[in-house]
Amino acid sequence: EAGVAQSPRYKIIEKRQSVAFWCNPISGHATLYWYQQILGQGPKLLIQFQNNGVVDDSQLPKDRFSAERLKGVDSTLKIQPAKLEDSAVYLCASSPGLASSYNEQFFGPGTRLTVL
Amino acid sequence: AQSVTQLDSHVSVSEGTPVLLRCNYSSSYSPSLFWYVQHPNKGLQLLLKYTSAATLVKGINGFEAEFKKSETSFHLTKPSAHMSDAAEYFCVVTPTGANNLFFGTGTRLTVIP
Repeated sequence: EAGVAQSPRYKIIEKRQSVAFWCNPISGHATLYWYQQILGQGPKLLIQFQNNGVVDDSQLPKDRFSAERLKGVDSTLKIQPAKLEDSAVYLCASSPGLASSYNEQFFGPGTRLTVL
Repeated sequence: AQSVTQLDSHVSVSEGTPVLLRCNYSSSYSPSLFWYVQHPNKGLQLLLKYTSAATLVKGINGFEAEFKKSETSFHLTKPSAHMSDAAEYFCVVTPTGANNLFFGTGTRLTVIP
């Protein structure tokens, strides 16, 4: 079974530029998550989709971050404009069925963003 | 509110000796608890989870953890460390039935040959 795919794996940009990350979840997984992992910290949930609807985006800095999951499959996360403090690894995860602690989340390898 | 505290940022053990990674949690609700492992340049992988069933949970690769409500702990153990166990380990909590995962800051495990 193919895992969660993310691209690009690495990205370096200057502050105030924009950047987009792409995630392809495991086939058939209804729920998709984006996490931000700052160096030395654990991942923090940014946004959660169930199919193509947003379940929770309370931790997403909406003035600069946006995400969409068109057609309930792939998802993109965008930052515009980027700040230095956005330097982090952005992780995508997916889980089957409804959003629940009973359903394991499967993580992709992440995109490492460096903002200069 | 939910949170976890991983008591050690770095643990070093010799190959073949026991592993103990400590985790304390705080939760306003009945918690589900997890341990994830992160190898360099790889995605997070679930080791084991507790969701209000048996308090001693067995996971992959010989790891296990015991949920102790009186101590609000969920420590991860393994009887004998292997070189391939070297990685970052995260303790995670969420209210049972929910799925907002709250990660600890991680414990880096080094295995010395």
